[in-house]
Amino acid sequence: GESVGLHLPTLSVQEGDNSIINCAYSNSASDYFIWYKQESGKGPQFIIDIRSNMDKRQGQRVTVLLNKTVKHLSLQIAATQPGDSAVYFCAENPATGTASKLTFGTGTRLQVTL
Amino acid sequence: DAGVTQSPTHLIKTRGQHVTLRCSPISGHKSVSWYQQVLGQGPQFIFQYYEKEERGRGNFPDRFSARQFPNYSSELNVNALLLGDSALYLCASSKDPAPYEQYFGPGTRLTVT
Repeated sequence: GESVGLHLPTLSVQEGDNSIINCAYSNSASDYFIWYKQESGKGPQFIIDIRSNMDKRQGQRVTVLLNKTVKHLSLQIAATQPGDSAVYFCAENPATGTASKLTFGTGTRLQVTL
Repeated sequence: DAGVTQSPTHLIKTRGQHVTLRCSPISGHKSVSWYQQVLGQGPQFIFQYYEKEERGRGNFPDRFSARQFPNYSSELNVNALLLGDSALYLCASSKDPAPYEQYFGPGTRLTVT
């Protein structure tokens, strides 16, 4: 299948360890953020989202942290598994009314080693 | 439940031709957005449609157009294709025009030669 993100920053993590993927966003007015996982040859898969009135949100094995002061977003994956290997994108939505115009970051490739 | 579906999966066109890509949203979703993803980059927003009306447009030339049908499916049209239009075209659907929980389809891989 096709490769997504041939020259992306890469994070290598051992199976069972925790992963932390970071993202700096650009627009201080953004009010909504999403993390997506994209495997080779597939469309982005929704992982978790957070609104700007929160600083932390937890899902199943994933946690998103939002620091609006420094415009930073992170995705924490607990007990990383081989199936977590993929490219991860953060996306922000500028507060432009009710329309959605997600702006995506450049992505980080997560490689899980056995 | 069926997710977002897109057709065709792959397409090869020649410069100057036009192309039509199709998207069916998740059942119950009324908003459809289109994104272009060039190899090695994140998706870039092209259009959003909600209840057959355009709600948002990204920085793409007028060669790109779209529409949404009464059943909420959508078409993306690109005229006068350029080599640089080669990309993965993604469709995402959500329940309403707000960006919350947008779900993507598998994409259509367009190659322009």
